Formats: sequence, structure tokens, C-alpha cells
Amino acid sequence: GAVVSQHPSRVICKSGTSVKIECRSLDFQATTMFWYRQFPKQSLMLMATSNEGSKATYEQGVEKDKFLINHASLTLSTLTVTSAHPEDSSFYICSARDGATASYEQYFGPGTRLTVT
Amino acid sequence: AQSVTQLGSHVSVSEGALVLLRCNYSSSVPPYLFWYVQYPNQGLQLLLKYTSAATLVKGINGFEAEFKKSETSFHLTKPSAHMSDAAEYFCAVSDQGSNYKLTFGKGTLLTVNP
Repeated sequence: GAVVSQHPSRVICKSGTSVKIECRSLDFQATTMFWYRQFPKQSLMLMATSNEGSKATYEQGVEKDKFLINHASLTLSTLTVTSAHPEDSSFYICSARDGATASYEQYFGPGTRLTVT
Repeated sequence: AQSVTQLGSHVSVSEGALVLLRCNYSSSVPPYLFWYVQYPNQGLQLLLKYTSAATLVKGINGFEAEFKKSETSFHLTKPSAHMSDAAEYFCAVSDQGSNYKLTFGKGTLLTVNP
């Protein structure tokens, strides 16, 4: 149980285009989802927290107009990187909390490798 | 504000030797503490967690960690390293007051030598 998937696992896009990354909870309802960014050989940095049906809460320094987060259902959150540039290239990881159990634990997706050329 | 310090960005051990990865935390409220493992180009896998129950926590793959409030530490150990343990390890802290947001340490790369 408690499986989180991400799609795509890898994506290459050209500079100036937008790319959408999906995060799905497969066997539970995720009232809260988190989006992280990880640079090579570095730790995870929280970008934003999203609660189903409401606007995401962004961490300081994260451009909300650049990284659009939508959490329209209890099993799906999306991160859209708008007008991507090479510096947006990174490993993006989502996680989710199980709303039914009100658990504090986060279940992580396998990550999405974004490369902007 | 919460913070996590992992001493040693890189730890190297021989196969069969003791593994000790250090983690110190800072939190203004009773924390929840976690250890995660990450293999290259993969997401995070939970090794173990502390949630104010037993201070000695046993996890998967033979790992365990001990919560020491007086030392604000949550070090990860394994009696005998396997080659398959080679990976990046992250210590993390969260609390109810922050909506259970996780704050990660910078990670420790564990290499296991044959």
C-alpha cells in the first residue's frame, strides 16, 4: 500500500516551453501533497505544499508563477514548469500524506528528471 | 524553525563493518524523525521513523536508530554493512505545527568497500 507514482520519469524539453509533471497516489487519498526539487548530489528542497481543492503554499524563494501547482483531486497533483530554462533542469520529487489515516508520514514518488536544452 | 545536521557528507566502510551515520536535529517542539535512503535516480525509501514511542527504532534492512533527546541526536546504525547498502542517506525532521513538512539534512553518501 501507500504507492505514489510520477509521470513522466524523464523529460527533455526545449528552453521556453512548458512541461507538466503528474503525481498520483495509487491506493490512498492524498489530502496533502508536497513537491521537492533536488539538484545533483544535494538534498531535497521543499518547493510547495498543496492541499486538495485549495491553492498551494510556496516556500520562500520559489516563484509561484514559474512553478504552477494544481491539486484538483484527492489522488492527483500536477507541477507545471512554465517557460522552462536550463537552470530549471533538476530532479523533481513529489510526496503525499494519507488523508484517511491523518498520518504524518509522507510517501514519496520515484521522481522526474527534467532536462531543459 | 527546524533544522537537521548530518555530520559527514561521505562515509566509507568495509563490507561487514559497522555503519554509523550521524544526525543531529533542532526543533522547538517534540519532533518526528526519519531516515530515508535514496539510490541513484530514484525516489526516497523510508528506512525508519521515530514518533515519540520507543527511543530505539528498528527499520528495514537491519538498520536501527536511537533517539537521544539530551543530545538532540538520531544516529543511524547497522552492525554489518552489505554492498547493497551503498546509497545516499537522508535524515529528516517534521512536526505537527508545520503541517508535517519535512526538513532534510544534506545527506550522507555511504560507500561500501569489498
